[in-house]
Amino acid sequence: GENVEQHPSTLSVQEGDSAVIKCTYSDSASNYFPWYKQELGKGPQLIIDIRSNVGEKKDQRIAVTLNKTAKHFSLHITETQPEDSAVYFCAAGRTGGFKTIFGAGTRLFVKA
Amino acid sequence: NAGVTQTPKFQVLKTGQSMTLQCAQDMNHNSMYWYRQDPGMGLRLIYYSASEGTTDKGEVPNGYNVSRLNKREFSLRLESAAPSQTSVYFCASSGASQATDTQYFGPGTRLTVL
Repeated sequence: GENVEQHPSTLSVQEGDSAVIKCTYSDSASNYFPWYKQELGKGPQLIIDIRSNVGEKKDQRIAVTLNKTAKHFSLHITETQPEDSAVYFCAAGRTGGFKTIFGAGTRLFVKA
Repeated sequence: NAGVTQTPKFQVLKTGQSMTLQCAQDMNHNSMYWYRQDPGMGLRLIYYSASEGTTDKGEVPNGYNVSRLNKREFSLRLESAAPSQTSVYFCASSGASQATDTQYFGPGTRLTVL
């Protein structure tokens, strides 16, 4: 079946450093790639998404890049802060479809 | 707006017992979803409802049933709970009939089956 691989599973950075999380997807028809942040005891919340017609998207300290040829997409967080500590999920889906596939998650620790 | 609400927050069942997890959204969304979250496995889709009156299987539907009671409410039923169904269950909703719209998640129900 279709799958999304996410790396690393755990990431620890010093406050102010950058963090990068990488995902690979298998369904070449995927054209929508959201990223979710999940804080302890809460449901996932969308932080940024990218569609296949663009290669990069930025929102303040967060950026996503997409390489459709290689079926890779990445989340970049700059100037990390302790409140960025959470679990991050990448996902891949199709326009008109309902079966978004999620990666296994990355637990990010930002040390003050 | 409360967004997506789920009840109960926690539940402990014995093997073979049944229960229904409730979900409601107040965003007038057409589509609703049930996921389970297990350590190291991300979120896996159990069932979804593209619109009121329709339901379809996701990746892991075995052992579950759903009901789209109306546009607001989407329930998940475990008829005979098994220890393998110990998990955190999330309900989500999205605005249009396409899954590429943002999914809004509820706070989750933590279920333990003994």
